Amino acid sequence: NAGVTQTPKFRILKIGQSMTLQCTQDMNHNYMYWYRQDPGMGLKLIYYSVGAGITDKGEVPNGYNVSRSTTEDFPLRLELAAPSQTSVYFCASSQTGGATGELFFGEGSRLTVL
Amino acid sequence: QQPVQSPQAVILREGEDAVINCSSSKALYSVHWYRQKHGEAPVFLMILLKGGEQKGHEKISASFNEKKQQSSLYLTASQLSYSGTYFCGTEKDGNTPLVFGKGTRLSVIA
Repeated sequence: NAGVTQTPKFRILKIGQSMTLQCTQDMNHNYMYWYRQDPGMGLKLIYYSVGAGITDKGEVPNGYNVSRSTTEDFPLRLELAAPSQTSVYFCASSQTGGATGELFFGEGSRLTVL
Repeated sequence: QQPVQSPQAVILREGEDAVINCSSSKALYSVHWYRQKHGEAPVFLMILLKGGEQKGHEKISASFNEKKQQSSLYLTASQLSYSGTYFCGTEKDGNTPLVFGKGTRLSVIA
């Protein structure tokens, strides 16, 4: 089973460039999430989705956009990349939300903005 | 509101025990625990719901005191494989995404 697949694993961007981080899950999970992880800061929620066509902001949404046109895919778009967006990005999915929702994480995408 | 984890880091010898704490200033509905090894994704350990239950996972167990808004993760007879960063994630009402603490780095040495 593939689980949650993220691409690319590594990327270097120049300031002002844009890119999309791809996330696909094959577990038919309704809930999907994007987190960013900075050293010593834990995981910060960027955006999440409770189903196809529904997205909502997390703690740190500025500078990012998402869409959820299918159950499987939840891409994260960075517009006008800034050095502050240098981070490791994790996509996760869960069968249910909240209290019973074990999160399954992808392997992460390491982004550097120079 | 981000939960507070303590300690920030701990070093153990194989066979020793450790306790990692997670506390919140807000009422909690559930607490989740994850472990992340260096360069890897976080991996689920357990979920605790309000009601003061305790759960176990191999030699790792946890408790949740909803009145104190605290959870503790207990690692007994630690093994080298326990090394990693442990995160607690909390939620307030059963329908909102998790908010994670900053993590506790655990190093087990021979």
